[in-house]
Amino acid sequence: DAKTTQPPSMDCAEGRAANLPCNHSTISGNEYVYWYRQIHSQGPQYIIHGLKNNETNEMASLIITEDRKSSTLILPHATLRDTAVYYCIVRVGDTGRRALTFGSGTRLQVQP
Amino acid sequence: DGGITQSPKYLFRKEGQNVTLSCEQNLNHDAMYWYRQDPGQGLRLIYYSQIVNDFQKGDIAEGYSVSREKKESFPLTVTSAQKNPTAFYLCASTKGQVSNEQFFGPGTRLTVL
Repeated sequence: DAKTTQPPSMDCAEGRAANLPCNHSTISGNEYVYWYRQIHSQGPQYIIHGLKNNETNEMASLIITEDRKSSTLILPHATLRDTAVYYCIVRVGDTGRRALTFGSGTRLQVQP
Repeated sequence: DGGITQSPKYLFRKEGQNVTLSCEQNLNHDAMYWYRQDPGQGLRLIYYSQIVNDFQKGDIAEGYSVSREKKESFPLTVTSAQKNPTAFYLCASTKGQVSNEQFFGPGTRLTVL
C-alpha cells in the first residue's frame, strides 16, 4: 500500500467547509484512496473512496488531482459533530480482504 | 439493525490474567479483524480471519489468540504473555470479496492493573 502524508491537526469554523489534504505521491495505478474518520473513543467510520474521478456522497466530497499524487476530503458544512481524526488510506481494490493500514491521521477540531 | 457489537465497553483485569474480548456481527460478513489502538496512535492489526475456521496473524499478534468457529463471532483473548495489554481494542468486518469498506464495532477499552 502506498504511503500517505497528512497534517497532524486542523481547525475549522462551524458551518464552513473543512478541506483535509492527503499526499500519496507513490500511489500506483490500481490503488484507491479511502477516507475514514474516528470520533473520540469510537470505532472508525467509512466516509468515501475513489480511484481517479471526484466522488461525492451524503457525507463528503473527494477531490483527487489529475496526477493522483494528492487528494482532498471536503466536508461542505462542518458541524461540531465532525470533530474527529480523519484517516487517508491508499490501497488496491481487490485485496483478498487484507486489513487496512491506519496512520496517525489529521485531527480536525470544529470550532463553534 | 445490522452491525458489530463488542462487549464490554470497559474491562479491567489484574496483571497475569487472561481475558477474552467479544466481537459479534450480524452483517453476514465473511472477513473479520482485530485492531489495537494506543493513545494518539493509528490502528495496528492483531489478527484477521477471512473465513470460518481460518485466521492469520497481523502485525502485532504476539500475546494474543483468536478463534473463528462461527461466521458471526471472532473473540480475541489477551493472554498474560502480552507485555502491554492496556489499550483500546477494535473489531471490524468486511462486506465482500472485493471491498475495502470496513465496518467497525464500538471498541473495548482494556485496562490491566
